[in-house]
Amino acid sequence: AAGVIQSPRHLIKEKRETATLKCYPIPRHDTVYWYQQGPGQDPQFLISFYEKMQSDKGSIPDRFSAQQFSDYHSELNMSSLELGDSALYFCASSITLAGYGDTQYFGPGTRLTVL
Amino acid sequence: AQSVTQLDSHVSVSEGTPVLLRCNYSSSYSPSLFWYVQHPNKGLQLLLKYTSAATLVKGINGFEAEFKKSETSFHLTKPSAHMSDAAEYFCVVSDLTGGTSYGKLTFGQGTILTVHP
Repeated sequence: AAGVIQSPRHLIKEKRETATLKCYPIPRHDTVYWYQQGPGQDPQFLISFYEKMQSDKGSIPDRFSAQQFSDYHSELNMSSLELGDSALYFCASSITLAGYGDTQYFGPGTRLTVL
Repeated sequence: AQSVTQLDSHVSVSEGTPVLLRCNYSSSYSPSLFWYVQHPNKGLQLLLKYTSAATLVKGINGFEAEFKKSETSFHLTKPSAHMSDAAEYFCVVSDLTGGTSYGKLTFGQGTILTVHP
């Protein structure tokens, strides 16, 4: 079965640089979620999109932005990178029915290292 | 607001013995509860989910969990541990409030399961 695809899998950037993470949801899934997992921490919700509109927002820094495109893939754009942004970034996708998000399936994650 | 507390940060068992990973939740609404597993340097894999149907939920790889509303618990169990079960396990809650929430997940702090030969 098709799974959530994330690219790149690994990314190394310098401080103050920008990074773009991509997420391709499972086919027919209309909702995408982004999570950040710092070293030794549990994943924290950043932001989600349903039908290309932002549906919920968590602890996402103002330096980060995201969007969902017409083919339902999503991109997380991160600017002015800081050392503390080094983390594993997960994307998850689900189907939303009558306003309720169903089970989320996670991608393998993108490991971002900021030097 | 929803929250999850995993009562043990580390659990160590011998292969072939039972596994118990404890989780308590707090939710303003009828929650959906999940257990996810994360192997080292891997993504998050869904083990099982509870969505107000049967209170005893069976998942993959022989795991199961029981939803107890009176105790606000959702403990994960397995009768016999296998070496391949060694991983980090997350108890997760999702408030299906609709409207303003499309099911964002709140994770517990994780329990690292070690399995000894």
